[in-house]
Amino acid sequence: ELVLTQSPATLSLSPGERATVACRASQSVSSQLGWYQQKPGQAPRLLIYDASNRATGIPARFSGSGSGTDFTLTISSLESEDFAVYYCQHRGTFGGGTKVEIK
Amino acid sequence: EVQLVESGGGLVQPGGSLRLSCAVSGFTFSSYWVSWVRRAPGKGLERVATLNRDGSEKYYVDSVKGRFTISRDNAENSLSLQMNSLRAEDSAVYYCARVQGNYGLMDVWGQGTTVTVSS
Repeated sequence: ELVLTQSPATLSLSPGERATVACRASQSVSSQLGWYQQKPGQAPRLLIYDASNRATGIPARFSGSGSGTDFTLTISSLESEDFAVYYCQHRGTFGGGTKVEIK
Repeated sequence: EVQLVESGGGLVQPGGSLRLSCAVSGFTFSSYWVSWVRRAPGKGLERVATLNRDGSEKYYVDSVKGRFTISRDNAENSLSLQMNSLRAEDSAVYYCARVQGNYGLMDVWGQGTTVTVSS
């Protein structure tokens, strides 16, 4: 059974800083990985698909990289609306989530 | 506009039943797999169930197998989740989502409906 491990669990940063979220798969998933953002009281939103492609309408400050078992979501310069929880996903498995909070 | 709208959540006692519905519009429903995903208080996202285009293939997380049933009506553009023998740990916000591609990517989500299992 696939396990997706995200790190860190919490990231405390200031607006304008760079955020890096890691996702490690227990077995290779090739490039079949998605990233989602969820804000309080809202539904999740697809950010990245196929590990590195931005979904429609997602700002360029969001980028994804990696393949096989190691993946990264990067937000180049945090804006106030980016403070949220981020999840990676492959098939029926989600990572545990990373909360990006204001420092 | 592509839209998914859930309904049917509420307060139910342990051991009770609830049926969630998801009304779909703005795309050809019968062309897509669909899923139910939940987020319990203080927890992360969990895929509950997934259904293929014609309803012949169903996948469930182990914790709901034998208790939950996912189904769809392509003529009515609707998705359902029948939840029986509910437990406190089933309390969560439940989302329906459209599935894209071949690894379960969920590209459109409903706004969610809240299920609370408590006496």
